[in-house]
Amino acid sequence: AQTVTQSQPEMSVQEAETVTLSCTYDTSESDYYLFWYKQPPSRQMILVIRQEAYKQQNATENRFSVNFQKAAKSFSLKISDSQLGDAAMYFCAYGGFTSGTYKYIFGTGTRLKVLA
Amino acid sequence: DGGITQSPKYLFRKEGQNVTLSCEQNLNHDAMYWYRQDPGQGLRLIYYSQIVNDFQKGDIAEGYSVSREKKESFPLTVTSAQKNPTAFYLCASSTTAYGYTFGSGTRLTVV
Repeated sequence: AQTVTQSQPEMSVQEAETVTLSCTYDTSESDYYLFWYKQPPSRQMILVIRQEAYKQQNATENRFSVNFQKAAKSFSLKISDSQLGDAAMYFCAYGGFTSGTYKYIFGTGTRLKVLA
Repeated sequence: DGGITQSPKYLFRKEGQNVTLSCEQNLNHDAMYWYRQDPGQGLRLIYYSQIVNDFQKGDIAEGYSVSREKKESFPLTVTSAQKNPTAFYLCASSTTAYGYTFGSGTRLTVV
């Protein structure tokens, strides 16, 4: 069965600095998608970035970028020039077929604190 | 604008009561999902539906029920059999490649 692991329950970063959140996953599938979601104090889940497994190029969205290592099953999120508004829970998610059904599996999240 | 609407935002339930959480989407997505989130924890899948009139249990379905009579709607009923229903509930819909679109959630509290 597919699993998603976020080994950092909490991270801190100084404003304007760079931080990397880790995510590893396990799957035997070759075709899938990976996502990072942000959940601020409002609790609204916001899609930050997505990566298609068949694309070797790492996805980038403004200050957010990923380091996708398919062989190592690693999908880390790098936030550059951190801002106070980046403080939130971040969830890594895998989207692919699980027991014949397309489902999304979430990690347990990393709480990011941004220090002024 | 397309999106998912969850209502109510806050819900209070007395012991032994059934309550229903609403989830409506106008994105024309086939798949819809219900998740439960407890403080400091990730999302746990309750039920999901890939198509109208069909749904499957997720990881923590006990004490919950759903229906999918229309493509747009996927209500969740928290029954009296759910012993610890206080949590934050998130509804989502999806297309395969583009991930979830989430609703804004319902906070359920037992009083």
